[in-house]
Amino acid sequence: DVQMTQSPSSLSASVGDRVTITCRASQGISNDLAWYQQKPGKVPKLLIYAASTLQSGVPSRFSGSGSGTDFTLTISSLQPEDVASYYCEKYNGDPLTFGGGTKVEIK
Amino acid sequence: QVQLQESGPGLVKPSETLSLTCTPSGGSIGSYYWTWIRQPPGMGLEWIGYIYHIGSANYNSSLKNRVNISIDTSKNQFSLKLSPVIATDTAVYYCARRRDFWSGLDVWGQGTSVTVSS
Repeated sequence: DVQMTQSPSSLSASVGDRVTITCRASQGISNDLAWYQQKPGKVPKLLIYAASTLQSGVPSRFSGSGSGTDFTLTISSLQPEDVASYYCEKYNGDPLTFGGGTKVEIK
Repeated sequence: QVQLQESGPGLVKPSETLSLTCTPSGGSIGSYYWTWIRQPPGMGLEWIGYIYHIGSANYNSSLKNRVNISIDTSKNQFSLKLSPVIATDTAVYYCARRRDFWSGLDVWGQGTSVTVSS
């Protein structure tokens, strides 16, 4: 099975900072990767799919990149409302797999 | 805009069957991949399995011998059964929708908390 390794597991940054989260697949998965945001006590929300396509309604400060095995979620200017856990998901072939998550906090 | 609603008991005894149903309101169950995900307390997301509207299903191999996902197009709902349950099945269970195999899970239910305890 393809393993998804997400890093870091947590980070603390200041408002306005550029934040980068990485997801690495143990085998190539083309661009079949999504990113989700889960605010504390809330339901996960789709941010990006196909590695770099922004879901409708998601602020443009969120972006995704990568293909094959290495993927990145970037928040260009961190806002207080971005405090959340972020998960990558590979949906190329079975089993579908989520990364372990990255908890983002404000410094 | 379609909304998903999970329903089922919040407490299940060990060795018994966990049964949950998800009902899309404001939309048809046709032509989507309907998925179950769970999240143990304080932990990350785990994919359980999905079913396509024509009835073909795929499951997480770690749960394969215990899980069944079915769909009832006449009732416009799909269901999850997990049996026998153990304590580590305690989690929030989410249903979600995927439009096709090139997209993410774009619609999620609110989640239902299930505790496995005697």
